Amino acid sequence: KQEVTQIPAALSVPEGENLVLNCSFTDSAIYNLQWFRQDPGKGLTSLLLIQSSQREQTSGRLNASLDKSSGRSTLYIAASQPGDSATYLCAVRGVSGYALNFGKGTSLLVTP
Amino acid sequence: DAGITQSPRHKVTETGTPVTLRCHQTENHRYMYWYRQDPGHGLRLIHYSYGVKDTDKGEVSDGYSVSRSKTEDFLLTLESATSSQTSVYFCAISERTSGSSGANVLTFGAGSRLTVL
Repeated sequence: KQEVTQIPAALSVPEGENLVLNCSFTDSAIYNLQWFRQDPGKGLTSLLLIQSSQREQTSGRLNASLDKSSGRSTLYIAASQPGDSATYLCAVRGVSGYALNFGKGTSLLVTP
Repeated sequence: DAGITQSPRHKVTETGTPVTLRCHQTENHRYMYWYRQDPGHGLRLIHYSYGVKDTDKGEVSDGYSVSRSKTEDFLLTLESATSSQTSVYFCAISERTSGSSGANVLTFGAGSRLTVL
């Protein structure tokens, strides 16, 4: 069974800092990996999707990388803002089936 | 929420009663999913559908059933609710599960918070 781990579980940074969120997975046979954002009491919003053949994806101040062989992905947030405060979830889809396996998330607080 | 509506958004019920949660989409997407989210467990897949009347079990399907009689609606039923089914339930849709990366993106509804007393 695919296990997805996110470290750290919580992170607090001052506004303006660049930061990295980590995601690791145990089975490298993946189809794709997605990063989501979840605000309190809300649903999930997809941020970036990386196919297994890709190394990274970028959207604005966000950059996600994928190292499939080592079972790792990172989400880089540049010049953090208070509006970035949320829980960030990593999810992996295996090569068979349709399910996404989710990590438990990193709760990010960006202080003014 | 990108064309996904979940109802009810909040429900309190008693142990042993039946409960049905509805997910409605306006995107005409083929794939629909039901997840539950619990502290300490993250999101776990309950059931999913890959077309009208085509459904399959996910990781935590015991105690749940689903139906999809129309493309736009995916129903999750708890035949006899238990306290362990107290959770936040999320519906998600995607256009397909292969091909261009954009089509694989899952779009989530706002969630249905269920409390079983």
